[in-house]
Amino acid sequence: DAGITQSPRHKVTETGTPVTLRCHQTENHRYMYWYRQDPGHGLRLIHYSYGVKDTDKGEVSDGYSVSRSKTEDFLLTLESATSSQTSVYFCATAGGTGLFYGYTFGSGTRLTVV
Amino acid sequence: TQLLEQSPQFLSIQEGENLTVYCNSSSVFSSLQWYRQEPGEGPVLLVTVVTGGEVKKLKRLTFQFGDARKDSSLHITAAQPGDTGLYLCAGAQTTDSWGKLQFGAGTQVVVTP
Repeated sequence: DAGITQSPRHKVTETGTPVTLRCHQTENHRYMYWYRQDPGHGLRLIHYSYGVKDTDKGEVSDGYSVSRSKTEDFLLTLESATSSQTSVYFCATAGGTGLFYGYTFGSGTRLTVV
Repeated sequence: TQLLEQSPQFLSIQEGENLTVYCNSSSVFSSLQWYRQEPGEGPVLLVTVVTGGEVKKLKRLTFQFGDARKDSSLHITAAQPGDTGLYLCAGAQTTDSWGKLQFGAGTQVVVTP
């Protein structure tokens, strides 16, 4: 099984609807992150978690919330989707060989808001 | 404005040629990483460098961390079509305690047979 699983892989949703993306890890990593990737911007941090129920905002957190009720799962919710949130969303974890020694990424969720 | 500037943005070369990708910043990083990303997939970690002046080799790939820990380069010798992908550099700032990474916008490398 993959170490990090993101679901769904693809989603099309309407403006104004709430959307939840799921990240599930089997790595037992303490740290988890949500990034979005857009052309010309690279990867930008939305929210991150440094433990169960411990989360904080990244640089582009407006319109997003997260929850982490157990080590394995990190949920990203778009409270009311807008077209500017059309993007590819990646979950990442860290904490295996060392916090600053690199991320393991999921395969991403492509979200389209129409 | 990207904290980490990558250059060039796009590189197209023939198989067998060499290439270098640069990652520059005005900030100091406690570590710097390089990732390769293929279409439809997440980035995959290639290497982490943590010491100023450090050089790491991974087969035909050579990574260097600047003495001041503000910049890095990736050099590929005798590129192959399998090296095609988006190369991303990412750094952890010295003030950060939670492993948050700043990413460059990436360099798209295309190696044609």
